[in-house]
Amino acid sequence: IAGITQAPTSQILAAGRRMTLRCTQDMRHNAMYWYRQDLGLGLRLIHYSNTAGTTGKGEVPDGYSVSRANTDDFPLTLASAVPSQTSVYFCASSPGTSEYNEQFFGPGTRLTVL
Amino acid sequence: GQNIDQPTEMTATEGAIVQINCTYQTSGFNGLFWYQQHAGEAPTFLSYNVLDGLEEKGRFSSFLSRSKGYSYLLLKELQMKDSASYLCAVRDGDYKLSFGAGTTVTVRA
Repeated sequence: IAGITQAPTSQILAAGRRMTLRCTQDMRHNAMYWYRQDLGLGLRLIHYSNTAGTTGKGEVPDGYSVSRANTDDFPLTLASAVPSQTSVYFCASSPGTSEYNEQFFGPGTRLTVL
Repeated sequence: GQNIDQPTEMTATEGAIVQINCTYQTSGFNGLFWYQQHAGEAPTFLSYNVLDGLEEKGRFSSFLSRSKGYSYLLLKELQMKDSASYLCAVRDGDYKLSFGAGTTVTVRA
């Protein structure tokens, strides 16, 4: 059982380029999330999806977009990367959004924008 | 919005006990989570509290006081492998998680 996979593991990107971070889960979880983690700031929610076909904005959504065409996949796109988007990106999923539902995290993507 | 505070760093000796405090101010409350994160790895779930009181799970315990906006994670019989960051996270009224910046615990021999 793979759980949650993310690709690429790491990437160096020129500013202004478009980039899509991939996230796939095989647990049939309804809810999925994208976070960025920066030193001293902790994990911050970028976008989320409570179920396939729906998405919502988190704390820091500007410069990012997501889609949720099916249950398993939740890609995160940077339309025109900027250096402030240099971060470690974690995808997470949970069975649902109510009651006791822990989030399971993928291994992360380390992105550097030059 | 959410305001979640926890100490930046703590150091303890192998075999000792360490208590990591977390205070929060949130718009709505639907539970508090603790996660462990080793350097360069993903966070992994440790504990969950939604009612006041203590939850014990092996060497780890977590306490919650909703009226005080306060939680702690207690790590007993510390081992070298417990050196990691510990993240306090509060689930708000919309069932989204907000994380504190994390507490880095260093266990010394």
